[in-house]
Amino acid sequence: GENVEQHPSTLSVQEGDSAVIKCTYSDSASNYFPWYKQELGKRPQLIIDIRSNVGEKKDQRIAVTLNKTAKHFSLHITETQPEDSAVYFCDGGGFKTIFGAGTRLFVKA
Amino acid sequence: DTAVSQTPKYLVTQMGNDKSIKCEQNLGHDTMYWYKQDSKKFLKIMFSYNNKELIINETVPNRFSPKSPDKAHLNLHINSLELGDSAVYFCASSQEGMNQPQHFGDGTRLSIL
Repeated sequence: GENVEQHPSTLSVQEGDSAVIKCTYSDSASNYFPWYKQELGKRPQLIIDIRSNVGEKKDQRIAVTLNKTAKHFSLHITETQPEDSAVYFCDGGGFKTIFGAGTRLFVKA
Repeated sequence: DTAVSQTPKYLVTQMGNDKSIKCEQNLGHDTMYWYKQDSKKFLKIMFSYNNKELIINETVPNRFSPKSPDKAHLNLHINSLELGDSAVYFCASSQEGMNQPQHFGDGTRLSIL
């Protein structure tokens, strides 16, 4: 079946550093790649997405890059802040939503 | 106004009971979903409906039965609850089509005693 792998599972950074989370997918028909942020005890919320007709998209401190040939896409957070601490999920499932296992990001003040 | 609302927020019940979770969205979306998030935070799709029609039905025990009376509502009924059903259940909605941003409800924490 289709699969989405997300790494790392845990990421700890110092405030102000950058964080990168990577997802690899298997469905070559996938063409929409969103990232969701879930704070403790809250619902997942979309933070950025990219479609397969572009290679990179940026929104302030957050960016997503896509490599369709290699079937992977990455979330980049620059100048991290304590409020960025959360679990981040990618979806690379294509027709069917398949979330990665999540990355727990800790930003130390 | 809450865009995707689920009730109840918490549900504590005994093994073997039957319970329902309700979900409503006021975004005018055509597609709605149910997800299960276990204690390890894995978020897995269970069902998806588009305009009241079932389009995704994952490998979920048939004790779980979704019902969509109209495109703004997607309820989840669970029969004969088991310990392994303890999880947080999220409802979500999106515009028509699978490749659209999803809006999640606040979740229902189900605890089986």
